Amino acid sequence: EDKVVQSPLSLVVHEGDTVTLNCSYEVTNFRSLLWYKQEKKAPTFLFMLTSSGIEKKSGRLSSILDKKELFSILNITATQTGDSAVYLCAVRSYNTDKLIFGTGTRLQVFP
Amino acid sequence: NAGVMQNPRHLVRRRGQEARLRCSPMKGHSHVYWYRQLPEEGLKFMVYLQKENIIDESGMPKERFSAEFPKEGPSILRIQQVVRGDSAAYFCASSPYNEASSYEQYFGPGTRLTVT
Repeated sequence: EDKVVQSPLSLVVHEGDTVTLNCSYEVTNFRSLLWYKQEKKAPTFLFMLTSSGIEKKSGRLSSILDKKELFSILNITATQTGDSAVYLCAVRSYNTDKLIFGTGTRLQVFP
Repeated sequence: NAGVMQNPRHLVRRRGQEARLRCSPMKGHSHVYWYRQLPEEGLKFMVYLQKENIIDESGMPKERFSAEFPKEGPSILRIQQVVRGDSAAYFCASSPYNEASSYEQYFGPGTRLTVT
C-alpha cells in the first residue's frame, strides 16, 4: 500500500532558527512529490519535485528529492512566526492522479 | 483569477440529514479532487472527477457518499444520512489538464461539516 511518513510530527523553534522537515514515501510508480503549507484554511502549494538532486527554492524555503532513498526534505531558514503552520507532504504515482498525504509536521515558531 | 471556491464554509447537520458540498474549480481547470481531513489527521483522497466523468472513486465510502461534476456548474459532494463520524473538513482541489507533465493541485478553503 502506498504511504507517506513525515517527521517530526511537531517542532517548536524560536524565530531565526533553521528547520528541516522530513518526508519519506513508498509508492508504486512514483511520479512527483509535493509540499503544501496549511494554516487554518486551505493547503497552499509550495513545491513540486520530480527529479532527484535538484533543489527548488523560494525565498527562505527550499526542498530537495532523493528518489533512490525515497525521501524529501523541506528546509526553512531564518524562521519567522508567520511560518507557523502544518507542512504537508504528498506523492503522486503514474497509476493515479490522486495525492497521498502524510499526516504533516506541525511547526510552531515563537518570537 | 479566482482560486478554488467552496461553499458553504461551515455546515451543521443533524444525524440523518443530507449534506451537499459545492466546489467551483479554478478557471481553466477541468479536474476536480475531493479530500477529507479528520481532526489531527492528514488529507485522505476521496474521488477524482472530470466534467461528467468519475475517474477514480477508490477513496469514497461505498454507501451514502456520491459525487458529480456536471457539464455546467460546480462539483457536488453529497453525503446522505450523515453520522457523527462524517464530521470533518472536506477540501476540494483542482488542476489543469496536461497529459505530458505532472501538475500541482490547488486547494479550496474547505467545508467544515459538523454533525450533531
